[in-house]
Amino acid sequence: QAVVTQEPSLTVSPGGTVTLTCGSSTGVVTSGHYPYWFQQKPGQAPRTLIYDISSKHSWTPARFSGSLLGGKAALTLSGAQPEDEADYYCLLSYSGSRPVFGGGTKLTVL
Amino acid sequence: QLQLQESGPGLVKPSETLSLTCTVSGGSISSTSYYWAWVRQPPGQGLEWIGGIYYSGGTYYNPSLKSRVTMSVDTSKNQFSLKLRSVTAADTAVYYCARVGGFYWGQGILVTVSS
Repeated sequence: QAVVTQEPSLTVSPGGTVTLTCGSSTGVVTSGHYPYWFQQKPGQAPRTLIYDISSKHSWTPARFSGSLLGGKAALTLSGAQPEDEADYYCLLSYSGSRPVFGGGTKLTVL
Repeated sequence: QLQLQESGPGLVKPSETLSLTCTVSGGSISSTSYYWAWVRQPPGQGLEWIGGIYYSGGTYYNPSLKSRVTMSVDTSKNQFSLKLRSVTAADTAVYYCARVGGFYWGQGILVTVSS
């Protein structure tokens, strides 16, 4: 089974910009992996921010954006707010419809 | 607005079967555009994909759980279900149901495996 890798932790200053990445042990992440990004705050269910690389839900703050960058899926937060402090998970789909979650990135806004 | 709600026992004894149901409202489970999934999260850990099911009944499971998992769908009730056999303490987790296709989550249900 593929392994999906994320930075364990990142720190961003309020108002700053940070990019979280999501890599695959099988090689380059492509549109065929249909990357998702989820935000989870303590005690809450995950919330979907980004799907299919860069598509947003109506509730996704404009400061979040998704892309493919350097062979990985990427989530960029521009203009970080204190309420963005959370765990972020990516999800990649593989052939045979076997999605795999990344281990998550703990984002600190400080 | 699409909503998903998990239900089932919050406590299961070791070696028994964990059974959960997800009730979908605000949308039809019979859509061909999406499929339905179960995800779990042990306390203090990350998310783990359990498996997915199409409304037609086609399933695919996480290889690490495949021998113990069965998922089913009841289109008449707009529900889908999860059964996990021979549970141990390692199966203690918050279990989420979800629609894959935009990815909509239920609120989750904590299931504890303990005697």
